[in-house]
Amino acid sequence: GAVVSQHPSRVICKSGTSVKIECRSLDFQATTMFWYRQFPKQSLMLMATSNEGSKATYEQGVEKDKFLINHASLTLSTLTVTSAHPEDSSFYICSAHDRVSWDTQYFGPGTRLTVL
Amino acid sequence: DAKTTQPTSMDCAEGRAANLPCNHSTISGNEYVYWYRQIHSQGPQYIIHGLKNNETNEMASLIITEDRKSSTLILPHATLRDTAVYYCIVRVGGNQFYFGTGTSLTVIP
Repeated sequence: GAVVSQHPSRVICKSGTSVKIECRSLDFQATTMFWYRQFPKQSLMLMATSNEGSKATYEQGVEKDKFLINHASLTLSTLTVTSAHPEDSSFYICSAHDRVSWDTQYFGPGTRLTVL
Repeated sequence: DAKTTQPTSMDCAEGRAANLPCNHSTISGNEYVYWYRQIHSQGPQYIIHGLKNNETNEMASLIITEDRKSSTLILPHATLRDTAVYYCIVRVGGNQFYFGTGTSLTVIP
């Protein structure tokens, strides 16, 4: 199946700093990528839909100025958590549509963010 | 997208078939049924999906009732590595996934 990577896999940062997470589709082109957040013992919560070459669409309750999304190419989307606080500590997961076989989403391995 | 209902948890003996049910009574005609699983601290893994016909691949079988209001994921010979949370999702192809709470499957030696 298609492969989606994320970098870094784990990051620890101080409160008030910004953290960038990369999501790459390795063997396919993705016009659309999605970002999710998962707190311990909870399900995945969709944060935003990232479209190549256009602005991301955010789910209700997700602050677009805090979670900056850039989808500059067909294989790369980035999520930047700005001015991170301890409550932003979570597992962040991206997924991508294969633009050819659009009906299936493939997920990255996730990024564990810990804000001290 | 339609809401799904799954049992919170299930156990299955190693080597036996695991049958995971999902109710999606408000599914619309153009919504697919997808199954993913998530092993602890990993990203979800695609298993299978279907529209109205039963589907089978190397991982599992998907049985969809004729009225499409429910489905069952079948893992034919469960192994310890199949212990995971299994998510049933219905959506129109190309749209976002909204995850429910899923079923935590524990395969017992």
